[in-house]
Amino acid sequence: GQQVMQIPQYQHVQEGEDFTTYCNSSTTLSNIQWYKQRPGGHPVFLIQLVKSGEVKKQKRLTFQFGEAKKNSSLHITATQTTDVGTYFCAGFTGTASKLTFGTGTRLQVTL
Amino acid sequence: DAGITQSPRHKVTETGTPVTLRCHQTENHRYMYWYRQDPGHGLRLIHYSYGVKDTDKGEVSDGYSVSRSKTEDFLLTLESATSSQTSVYFCAIGAALLAGELFFGEGSRLTVL
Repeated sequence: GQQVMQIPQYQHVQEGEDFTTYCNSSTTLSNIQWYKQRPGGHPVFLIQLVKSGEVKKQKRLTFQFGEAKKNSSLHITATQTTDVGTYFCAGFTGTASKLTFGTGTRLQVTL
Repeated sequence: DAGITQSPRHKVTETGTPVTLRCHQTENHRYMYWYRQDPGHGLRLIHYSYGVKDTDKGEVSDGYSVSRSKTEDFLLTLESATSSQTSVYFCAIGAALLAGELFFGEGSRLTVL
């Protein structure tokens, strides 16, 4: 079955440093989504990428979809304590009407 | 936030007892999903529904059953709970096939002793 892996599993940065999480799928994705889950909370949708090579920005967050549509990345510039949480990528494959989530990257930001 | 509620939010039960978790939505979304979240595994799909009385298995469906008799309600049942089913369960809803965001409920924390 489809597998979606993320690295790193955990990263601890100081406020102001940059952060990147990588998402890799074993199969080609029709699109990819990113979610953020704050500690004790539920996943919240951030963005969806559809096109090969697509890049989207949301303020300090930059999302990229790979040319082969099998990988993606999320980059946060100048992290803030409000960025703390777990970031998940998730992808649809083929005609399956179900979203497969990556294993997640937990980000800790300290002053 | 989307109109999606899960109940109960917390439950402690004993091995071998039946448990039902309820997901209720007011958004009239067609697609509903049950995920479980465990450390190191992310979110894993248990079952999903693509319409009333239309359901299918996810990647970790053993030991779980679901029912959807109305658009707004999606029930997850553990016929005989086991300690391995201790987890946080999230319901999610979505309007579109193969695209569009999922909206998640607040989660139900289940502990099986």
